[in-house]
Amino acid sequence: QVQLQESGPGLVKPSETLSLTCTVSGGSISSYYWSWIRQPPGKGLEWIGYIYYSGSTNYNPSLKSRVTISLDTSKNQFSLKLSSVTAADTAVYYCARVPSPLPRWGQGTLVTVSS
Amino acid sequence: QSVLTQPPSVSGAPGQRVTISCTGSRSNIGAGYDVHWYQQLPGTAPKLLIYGNSNRPSGVPDRFSGSRSGTSASLAITGLQAEDEADYYCQSHDSSLVLFGGGTKLTVL
Repeated sequence: QVQLQESGPGLVKPSETLSLTCTVSGGSISSYYWSWIRQPPGKGLEWIGYIYYSGSTNYNPSLKSRVTISLDTSKNQFSLKLSSVTAADTAVYYCARVPSPLPRWGQGTLVTVSS
Repeated sequence: QSVLTQPPSVSGAPGQRVTISCTGSRSNIGAGYDVHWYQQLPGTAPKLLIYGNSNRPSGVPDRFSGSRSGTSASLAITGLQAEDEADYYCQSHDSSLVLFGGGTKLTVL
């Protein structure tokens, strides 16, 4: 069964770039779509963007100017970079195999934006 | 404001049946894209409850069921239990975007 695990700094300073990595185990990343999703404290889920195994990407229009998602098939990982962060970017960040006929999610990692 | 519309809250007494709706449009649910449902307990990651409109992953009780019709989908919970108190989210997509409902808080009275 495919499992996903997020990793990266839990604290990022305002105006800097948030960087997270998702490691996929139990299956190959060389198929499906792979997404980043976030959830600010006390709020709902927000899709950030996805990357297809071919390398093509699609991003939420509201974040598009600040987001880059990339893929490393040799490590079975995909990554998120979100630039120029503010306090509004404080959230639990999830990586997920979404969209998919059978979605799989990681456990999430809290990223706090604060000086 | 979410593209998929869910009621902010629903409630029911133990043993009762409740339903949560997820309303989209012809470009997403109405176009035939799958709807998935998640249950989120406080402080935990969303758990997949229903996938592909009406399928339950192994381990999910058959008290939970999903359906899709036209531009909407529904999650039904029968024999309501105290442990069902949680937030529920629907998820679908369109040709290029992944979409979530705003979430529904289920309260077991």
